[in-house]
Amino acid sequence: QSVLTQPPSASGTPGQRVTISCSGTSSNIGTNTVHWYQQLPGTAPKLLIYNNNQRPSGVPDRFSGSKSGTSASLAISGLQSEDEADYHCAAWDDSLNGQVFGGGTKLTVL
Amino acid sequence: QVQLVESGGALVKPGGSLRLSCAASGFTISDYFMSWIRQAPGKGLEGVSHITSSGSTKYYADSAKGRFTISRDKAKNSLYLQMNSLRADDTAIYYCARHWKGLPDYWGHGTLVTVSS
Repeated sequence: QSVLTQPPSASGTPGQRVTISCSGTSSNIGTNTVHWYQQLPGTAPKLLIYNNNQRPSGVPDRFSGSKSGTSASLAISGLQSEDEADYHCAAWDDSLNGQVFGGGTKLTVL
Repeated sequence: QVQLVESGGALVKPGGSLRLSCAASGFTISDYFMSWIRQAPGKGLEGVSHITSSGSTKYYADSAKGRFTISRDKAKNSLYLQMNSLRADDTAIYYCARHWKGLPDYWGHGTLVTVSS
C-alpha cells in the first residue's frame, strides 16, 4: 500500500492530453514539493518534473506538473507513442521523515 | 556525467544475506543525500533507506529496520546496503539514487534481489 495514491492506469490516443493525479496528505504533498518520474519498460525511473512544475533540461514542454493542497497532477499534451510508460509521483513526508511514492500509473497510448 | 552503477544482487535463500554496492561517478557521494529504493515485481517504488550528506543521519523503512544497514565509503565513492535475514517479500529491483531538492534526481539501473528457497 503506497503512501501516495495514483490511479493504476491511464490511456489516450496520439495527440490527446492526459492527466495523472497523485493524492497525499498534509504531511507530504500538503507541505512539500512533488517530483514526477517516467519509467520506460525495463528501465530505471527518470526525473520528469521536480518542485511541482519544473522540467529538467531535455524534458519536452509537453510535460507539465501542478499542485494544489494535498494533491498533484502530471499533464501530458500532444500524446506520443513513446510516452507509453509508468509514471510515479514522490514527495518528502515530514511524519515518516522519509521519501514516499505513489503506486505508479501505467500510461497506454492507444 | 553522473552515473550510478549497482551490483551485488543475486538469488538468495530466506534468512540469507546480501551486500549491495553502488559505485558513483561524476559527483562525490558525500556531498549528497543518497538512498536505496526498491521496486517489487509489478509494484510501485518504496524508499528503503537513506543517508544524509553529513552521514550523521540514517533512515530505514519499517520493513528494513533491524535487518538492513546503509553505509558509504568516501574513498571508493560508493554506497552500500547490507541486507540480513532476507525474506521473500524483499524480492525486488534495488535502485541506488542521488537526491537533489529532497528527492531523487539520478537513479542507477538497479540490481535484482530474489529471495526464494
